[in-house]
Amino acid sequence: AQKVTQAQTEISVVEKEDVTLDCVYETRDTTYYLFWYKQPPSGELVFLIRRNSFDEQNEISGRYSWNFQKSTSSFNFTITASQVVDSAVYFCALSPTTQGGSEKLVFGKGTKLTVNP
Amino acid sequence: DAGVIQSPRHEVTEMGQEVTLRCKPISGHDYLFWYRQTMMRGLELLIYFNNNVPIDDSGMPEDRFSAKMPNASFSTLKIQPSEPRDSAVYFCASRLWTGTQYFGPGTRLLVL
Repeated sequence: AQKVTQAQTEISVVEKEDVTLDCVYETRDTTYYLFWYKQPPSGELVFLIRRNSFDEQNEISGRYSWNFQKSTSSFNFTITASQVVDSAVYFCALSPTTQGGSEKLVFGKGTKLTVNP
Repeated sequence: DAGVIQSPRHEVTEMGQEVTLRCKPISGHDYLFWYRQTMMRGLELLIYFNNNVPIDDSGMPEDRFSAKMPNASFSTLKIQPSEPRDSAVYFCASRLWTGTQYFGPGTRLLVL
């Protein structure tokens, strides 16, 4: 069975602080995708990143960076110099890459990030 | 390019009424997913289609819920009769055969 755990339910930081959102996953698939989505207060779900299980290179996009470690089954997300606009609920998710299996995207329960001015 | 389009964005109805939610996936995407989000249960997958065919509807709560995809560019999720516990945000998402799911803006449903 697949499972995604986001142990941090809520995090509150002050603007310009760095913050890391944790994501730990479980799967028996040999290949899989990992995702992060952002849900701002307006409610839409915004895709941030997709990572394939065979690509463990860390990724940086502006103030956002992602650390994928297969050895610890983790895919953590760091926001550098946080801003108020980063306030949102962030979801980590997992899906298989191969057809024929479940196509379901398994979500964690989300981490609510509040960035205070 | 247009993203996933959902309508209506908000729906308020009375218990017992029929509710129809609509979704237009991204052109060319051959998978379509319906989700429900509530505070208590988080994001739940209700049903998904591949090439307009329902593949897995195990998440549909009960017979009051039904979903159709008559063509590649349109899907509906119907609740009949609606109940207050159906109040939630309903998301539609689409993707290519292997790829990222892109979500619509959601429909906020309130059943009184």
